[in-house]
Amino acid sequence: EAQVTQNPRYLITVTGKKLTVTCSQNMNHEYMSWYRQDPGLGLRQIYYSMNVEVTDKGDVPEGYKVSRKEKRNFPLILESPSPNQTSLYFCASSGQGFYEQYFGPGTRLTVT
Amino acid sequence: GIQVEQSPPDLILQEGANSTLRCNFSDSVNNLQWFHQNPWGQLINLFYIPSGTKQNGRLSATTVATERYSLLYISSSQTTDSGVYFCAGTDYTGANSKLTFGKGITLSVRP
Repeated sequence: EAQVTQNPRYLITVTGKKLTVTCSQNMNHEYMSWYRQDPGLGLRQIYYSMNVEVTDKGDVPEGYKVSRKEKRNFPLILESPSPNQTSLYFCASSGQGFYEQYFGPGTRLTVT
Repeated sequence: GIQVEQSPPDLILQEGANSTLRCNFSDSVNNLQWFHQNPWGQLINLFYIPSGTKQNGRLSATTVATERYSLLYISSSQTTDSGVYFCAGTDYTGANSKLTFGKGITLSVRP
């Protein structure tokens, strides 16, 4: 089954404790991206990657890091999480550019 | 960057009714898509529709790129259609660097 998976689905952590949210797709897609969704602000792009070792900033990259060492994986790293990073995070992939994005199930992160 | 406006912001329907959801863009847009976020938070791609008309069951979408808008039609609505509908697109610059989403339309279908 074609899918995008994210782990963990739910995470409660404390300020400053480094964390990684994993994202993996099995569709051999070149393009992957991370979004955060906040009430009243909608979905905003954090980072995107057009291929292995090629990443670039989206709208709200501050406080986040990403890496794309393999085509299928695109982890999101929060080196020092803060409460303003409490949000619902989505990973997405598509075959080329932004054509027909497929989203993961989401990760709900709470930073206290 | 482009601005995306969706209307109406909220919609309540009786099961079986039809509805039209609208998405306006401030500038020429590429990679226009419609998504449905169900009450459990899952985002599903409904249509990739940079221009023209597509249909999938009770749903159809039309994009008039020259007039910078897109419409999503839901016919014979069902309670499972409830959720938030988003449209999104990219700048028509060829860079394809950012997918901009509208704020969404919250649809409630009552039995």
